Amino acid sequence: QKEVEQNSGPLSVPEGAIASLNCTYSDRGSQSFFWYRQYSGKSPELIMFIYSNGDKEDGRFTAQLNKASQYVSLLIRDSQPSDSATYLCAVSLDTGRRALTFGSGTRLQVQP
Amino acid sequence: DGGITQSPKYLFRKEGQNVTLSCEQNLNHDAMYWYRQDPGQGLRLIYYSQIVNDFQKGDIAEGYSVSREKKESFPLTVTSAQKNPTAFYLCASSRQGPWAPYGYTFGSGTRLTVV
Repeated sequence: QKEVEQNSGPLSVPEGAIASLNCTYSDRGSQSFFWYRQYSGKSPELIMFIYSNGDKEDGRFTAQLNKASQYVSLLIRDSQPSDSATYLCAVSLDTGRRALTFGSGTRLQVQP
Repeated sequence: DGGITQSPKYLFRKEGQNVTLSCEQNLNHDAMYWYRQDPGQGLRLIYYSQIVNDFQKGDIAEGYSVSREKKESFPLTVTSAQKNPTAFYLCASSRQGPWAPYGYTFGSGTRLTVV
């Protein structure tokens, strides 16, 4: 089992719809969770951070964390073609390693 | 402006050759990291360093080496022992530990190709 798992996609949604991306993680003691957006050929950029159960909203983005079920999700409201990118889930696992573990990413396509 | 500079942007390596990827930051961050990304895949950790003169292996350290002689610099050498080095290499730094809300600051990456 991978430590951080994501569906590779592509996830295709029409412009204006809600895109829902999911991530599961194996380490129950994990504390910090990140969502990065990566455009093709570019480096990742941080879009959301969450560490407590529940929802965290920032503009059109909402991160949702459920530690009991060991999943974290990202909702993108009013999706735009410019949101088309790969979204990487990253977790600070409770393994003693002082570095983030990344999922393989979900590719999102927003259709105009 | 503060940031991370990776060079070169593109690098071509011949079989059996060692090459070094540069990573320099002026953010005064203590921690620095090297990740490798293959097409359609996520980031895999090669090495990381929390302080000067100290570094730890990640998941795929075989065939790679690093040094951390200065806080600002964390170069990665891809040795001839790395049999499949063609990939996108990303350097990152963080203000505190990876659990802190700031996350990583990434460089723009180096694309390495074996010719």
